[in-house]
Amino acid sequence: SQELEQSPQSLIVQEGKNLTINCTSSKTLYGLYWYKQKYGEGLIFLMMLQKGGEEKSHEKITAKLDEKKQQSSLHITASQPSHAGIYLCGAGPTSGSRLTFGEGTQLTVNP
Amino acid sequence: NAGVTQTPKFQVLKTGQSMTLQCAQDMNHNSMYWYRQDPGMGLRLIYYSASEGTTDKGEVPNGYNVSRLNKREFSLRLESAAPSQTSVYFCASSGRGMNTEAFFGQGTRLTVV
Repeated sequence: SQELEQSPQSLIVQEGKNLTINCTSSKTLYGLYWYKQKYGEGLIFLMMLQKGGEEKSHEKITAKLDEKKQQSSLHITASQPSHAGIYLCGAGPTSGSRLTFGEGTQLTVNP
Repeated sequence: NAGVTQTPKFQVLKTGQSMTLQCAQDMNHNSMYWYRQDPGMGLRLIYYSASEGTTDKGEVPNGYNVSRLNKREFSLRLESAAPSQTSVYFCASSGRGMNTEAFFGQGTRLTVV
């Protein structure tokens, strides 16, 4: 099965600072998802990456999938308290019928 | 649009009791999943169903059973609850094909005492 490792496990930043979260896979990624979760709530889809070298942005959040398709990074520019939550990367080996996730990164943004 | 609906949202069980968590999706998705989330452990896959009539074990299936009742509904049953099953449970669904987004329910917070 595909294993995903996220780093760091937790992150505390001051509002306005940039930050990066990494997700490393034990196998080639055919699709990499980023989700955000607020405490006690469900997961909100952020973006999906499929192609090596692909980069997508949504507001101040940018995600990249490296050329070898075994690592992805999520970068937040000028962080805000609204960015706080748990960020999870997820991947499916082929058609998504066995979607698995990393352990998550807990992000705290202090005003 | 309802998306993925889970019931109940909260439940307290005594050790040894049984219960079924219900999940329904209205997006005509083929794949459905049950996960549990524990502090520091991320989301761990319990069971999934790639299509109506099929179910497969995930990473942590012991102590659980599932039923894919029809294309819309996928239930998770705890036959004899244990304190180790205290967790937050999430149901999700996704469409057919390569790398389609998964949609999640709001979760069920289960406490076994």
